[in-house]
Amino acid sequence: GQNIDQPTEMTATEGAIVQINCTYQTSGFNGLFWYQQHAGEAPTFLSYNVLDGLEEKGRFSSFLSRSKGYSYLLLKELQMKDSASYLCAVRDHGNKLVFGAGTILRVKS
Amino acid sequence: ETGVTQTPRHLVMGMTNKKSLKCEQHLGHNAMYWYKQSAKKPLELMFVYSLEERVENNSVPSRFSPECPNSSHLFLHLHTLQPEDSALYLCASSQDLPAGGSGANVLTFGAGSRLTVL
Repeated sequence: GQNIDQPTEMTATEGAIVQINCTYQTSGFNGLFWYQQHAGEAPTFLSYNVLDGLEEKGRFSSFLSRSKGYSYLLLKELQMKDSASYLCAVRDHGNKLVFGAGTILRVKS
Repeated sequence: ETGVTQTPRHLVMGMTNKKSLKCEQHLGHNAMYWYKQSAKKPLELMFVYSLEERVENNSVPSRFSPECPNSSHLFLHLHTLQPEDSALYLCASSQDLPAGGSGANVLTFGAGSRLTVL
């Protein structure tokens, strides 16, 4: 079956670095996405990985290892506005996007 | 108007009511989606329309009925719902790739319609 696992909740301090992990087992692989969702708002696209390695975009980076079925989202220099839910999603060979349940990140001062 | 707009943002209905959720996208995309988001559960894909044809129907109960009159508008008609149908319903759009194409095909989501069934 299709399965995406990520931690339910994490807490980190303003200015720190946090890593949110995601492991997946899907019917094939056609790319991995990270979305950010603030409470009461639309999920917004953060990053896309289809090849192994690290993709960096400002304070946010995303890593992928296809052989391990593993990704992480790295957030540096945390700000209070980074408090949100972070959704990991994998596109399978049928082009379906399979989502994890999301990780709620709380940033404290 | 920008992006993907959903109305109403909040809806409370009884089990015998009939209501509709509306979604409009202003991005020129050719595919639209309905997702259900329940607390602490993954987003569940309900329906996909590509070029106004329904291409996905994930065993959704018939009390949910989608309609896609054109590539910019998507509706979800609700009838005799159950309390367990209470959730956030998210609409999304994307630019579908041609067969064999590659690329991110990123979904753009609306802010959702929060549905409560009493």
